[in-house]
Amino acid sequence: KQEVTQIPAALSVPEGENLVLNCSFTDSAIYNLQWFRQDPGKGLTSLLLIQSSQREQTSGRLNASLDKSSGRSTLYIAASQPGDSATYLCAVVPDKLIFGTGTRLQVFP
Amino acid sequence: GAVVSQHPSWVICKSGTSVKIECRSLDFQATTMFWYRQFPKQSLMLMATSNEGSKATYEQGVEKDKFLINHASLTLSTLTVTSAHPEDSSFYICSASSKGLAYEQYFGPGTRLTVT
Repeated sequence: KQEVTQIPAALSVPEGENLVLNCSFTDSAIYNLQWFRQDPGKGLTSLLLIQSSQREQTSGRLNASLDKSSGRSTLYIAASQPGDSATYLCAVVPDKLIFGTGTRLQVFP
Repeated sequence: GAVVSQHPSWVICKSGTSVKIECRSLDFQATTMFWYRQFPKQSLMLMATSNEGSKATYEQGVEKDKFLINHASLTLSTLTVTSAHPEDSSFYICSASSKGLAYEQYFGPGTRLTVT
């Protein structure tokens, strides 16, 4: 059974810091991996999608990497801003989205 | 583009009553819709997958007679929580895909259900 874990569970940092959020999964037989953002009481916004054949994807200040063999992905956020405060979820796709436990990020001014 | 709406955004109902949640794809045709539930400070758990015109496929442990899903058109799916109990209180999120692909889902804003 695929299990997805995210570390840390919560993170509070001052504005401007570079951040690394971690995601690990137990079964490397995935089709792709996605990172999402969820604001409190809201739905999900897709941030980055990494195909299983890819190593990384970048969008603006966000960079996500994927190492299938070790069952790990990282989301790197450069120069964090208060507007980045949200919960970040990773999800792997064998045949459906299996979500991680999430990292609650707070960036304070 | 790719906007998904849910209605209502929040609902309070009494124990034993039924409540219906609608999920609409506003600017695309959704061949597949997914329903998730999320407990406070926990991640999303897939409840069921529905394809237009077909019966929904429920995940293990989800009672299909309690959570009725209808996907009658390419833009609308409904989730009805029947005989609701306080333990059904949760955040319900739907998503939709035009290609039926798990990795191309557009998420609705969610519905907060509170059963008293």
